[in-house]
Amino acid sequence: GAVVSQHPSRVICKSGTSVKIECRSLDFQATTMFWYRQFPKQSLMLMATSNEGSKATYEQGVEKDKFLINHASLTLSTLTVTSAHPEDSSFYICSAPRGTRTDTQYFGPGTRLTVL
Amino acid sequence: GENVEQHPSTLSVQEGDSAVIKCTYSDSASNYFPWYKQELGKRPQLIIDIRSNVGEKKDQRIAVTLNKTAKHFSLHITETQPEDSAVYFCAAKSGGSNYKLTFGKGTLLTVNP
Repeated sequence: GAVVSQHPSRVICKSGTSVKIECRSLDFQATTMFWYRQFPKQSLMLMATSNEGSKATYEQGVEKDKFLINHASLTLSTLTVTSAHPEDSSFYICSAPRGTRTDTQYFGPGTRLTVL
Repeated sequence: GENVEQHPSTLSVQEGDSAVIKCTYSDSASNYFPWYKQELGKRPQLIIDIRSNVGEKKDQRIAVTLNKTAKHFSLHITETQPEDSAVYFCAAKSGGSNYKLTFGKGTLLTVNP
């Protein structure tokens, strides 16, 4: 199956710093990627849709200036959590549909962010 | 927008029994319904999916049924095994080309040996 990677898998940072998370599609091109946040024992909540060559589309209630998304190429999207605070601590997961004629989404392994 | 309800939130069964998880959706234009299995700390893994032009799909011990009229779909796992223990999420994709999925809240399935 299609492979999506994320880096880093875990990150611990101090409050007020910024953290960048990378999402890569390894064996296919993805013009669209999705960023989710998952709190413990909860569902996946879509944060934003990352679009190659254009601005990301954010879900209601997600601060676009705090969660910066850049879809730099057809295989890479980055999420930067700016001025992180303890309440931003969560599991961040990206996903990508493979190809333009498929609904199937493949998820990255996730990034565990802990803000001290 | 789309709203997906999932029940039950927890399900405990004995090894060998069947497990059924049900989801309802609100957007009649939704046309794709995947099910994901997520083990603790791991990525969600697609286990089966169904499109709106099909009523049932089966893959070995796993099956999914879809009732478009009632706007609900279900996951059926037969002959459960301890390794089936995980959180299962249903999702729905609204009509359109943006691939956006709306997830249910998840079901924690525990299969007791």
